[in-house]
Amino acid sequence: DGGITQSPKYLFRKEGQNVTLSCEQNLNHDAMYWYRQDPGQGLRLIYYSQIVNDFQKGDIAEGYSVSREKKESFPLTVTSAQKNPTAFYLCASSTTGTSPLHFGNGTRLTVT
Amino acid sequence: DAKTTQPPSMDCAEGRAANLPCNHSTISGNEYVYWYRQIHSQGPQYIIHGLKNNETNEMASLIITEDRKSSTLILPHATLRDTAVYYCIVRPSGNTGKLIFGQGTTLQVKP
Repeated sequence: DGGITQSPKYLFRKEGQNVTLSCEQNLNHDAMYWYRQDPGQGLRLIYYSQIVNDFQKGDIAEGYSVSREKKESFPLTVTSAQKNPTAFYLCASSTTGTSPLHFGNGTRLTVT
Repeated sequence: DAKTTQPPSMDCAEGRAANLPCNHSTISGNEYVYWYRQIHSQGPQYIIHGLKNNETNEMASLIITEDRKSSTLILPHATLRDTAVYYCIVRPSGNTGKLIFGQGTTLQVKP
C-alpha cells in the first residue's frame, strides 16, 4: 500500500544529542513537510520541500535541519540547539498544486 | 495568512449529524478551505476541501457561505469512531504548500 512511513514511533534521547527522524513516502509526491505538535495544540510547520535538493524554512525552523537528496525521503534532524525538542513530530507529503497533504503516524520524541 | 476560528469542543449523539463550524473571515479569493481530523497520537486524516462551492464525499459534506467567511463540516451520521479533533485550515496563497493549523474542535460522539 502507498503511504508515508515515519520511524521510529517513539524515540528517547539525552539532552545535548542530535537525533534524526526518518520519513519515507512511496506516493511519488513531489512535496514533503515536517510539522511539530505540542500537547493540546495544533501543528506548526518546521520545514518543507517542494522538489529534490530544495527546501524552505517554516515557522519554527530554529534548531532543526533537513535534507532532500531523494524524492522519497525527507529526514529531520533535531539538533542540540533546539531548546524544547520534546514533542510529537509529523511528516507529510503532497503532489503540487492544492492537493491535500497525506500524513504519517508521527514520531514521539522525548529528550531528558 | 488567513486564520481560522473554531469552537474548542462539541458533543454529538451517535447516529445524528455533527455540524462543525469554522470562521475564516480574512480568507482570500484564491484560498481553499481544508478539513482534517486527528485521533490521539496519530497523523491527521484528510476529510474534504473546497473553494466556494459546496462539496460532498464519502466521509462528509462541506458547506461554504457565499461570502466565504465561514464554513461548516457535516458528518451526516456520526459514529463513536468519529470522536477526534477536527481542524479547519485555509491554505495560504502563493502555492507554498504550507497549511496553517489552528487549535481545532474536539468532537465527542456519545452513545
